Amino acid sequence: NAGVTQTPKFQVLKTGQSMTLQCAQDMNHEYMSWYRQDPGMGLRLIHYSVGAGITDQGEVPNGYNVSRSTTEDFPLRLLSAAPSQTSVYFCASSYEAAGEQFFGPGTRLTVL
Amino acid sequence: GESVGLHLPTLSVQEGDNSIINCAYSNSASDYFIWYKQESGKGPQFIIDIRSNMDKRQGQRVTVLLNKTVKHLSLQIAATQPGDSAVYFCAEDYTGTASKLTFGTGTRLQVTL
Repeated sequence: NAGVTQTPKFQVLKTGQSMTLQCAQDMNHEYMSWYRQDPGMGLRLIHYSVGAGITDQGEVPNGYNVSRSTTEDFPLRLLSAAPSQTSVYFCASSYEAAGEQFFGPGTRLTVL
Repeated sequence: GESVGLHLPTLSVQEGDNSIINCAYSNSASDYFIWYKQESGKGPQFIIDIRSNMDKRQGQRVTVLLNKTVKHLSLQIAATQPGDSAVYFCAEDYTGTASKLTFGTGTRLQVTL
């Protein structure tokens, strides 16, 4: 199993550009989530999904969209990038919401 | 509001000694707690979890203690090894699941030889 994969590893955007961060897992996990991690801070939950077709907001959802059309994929879309969205983004999955979460390697995003 | 914090930002421990990483949480409604380890350039890795109906849980070389009276969580690592060097995060959730986790800011553990 590849586990949780994220692409790209690094990305530089200009303010106002849009892009999609990809996340995929091959463990048939129902629960998937997106976090951002800023320097000197812990992770903050952006959006999460308890199964295909179901998504919900986390602590910091503004400026981000998600969809869950399949169990395997959970893309995160930045609609209009802002410098405040410069961060490292982690995707995670687990068999259920209360289970052990497996994190991907992260995407380092810089918005100029 | 809800917050999870750590007492020590950096902890230096000699190889072979035991490590204790502490965490304070402010939401008395939190009922599920997790410790994560994050190595440089990698995503967090689940270490151990505990529910609020327990005060102690043991894993392989790790023990988590929960004191609900003072809203305190600790992670004990026995016989600390160089591979334990990382940043450790505690996280809390009030939903009984990990769907609304609030993370602390992290403690860096440095293992000296």
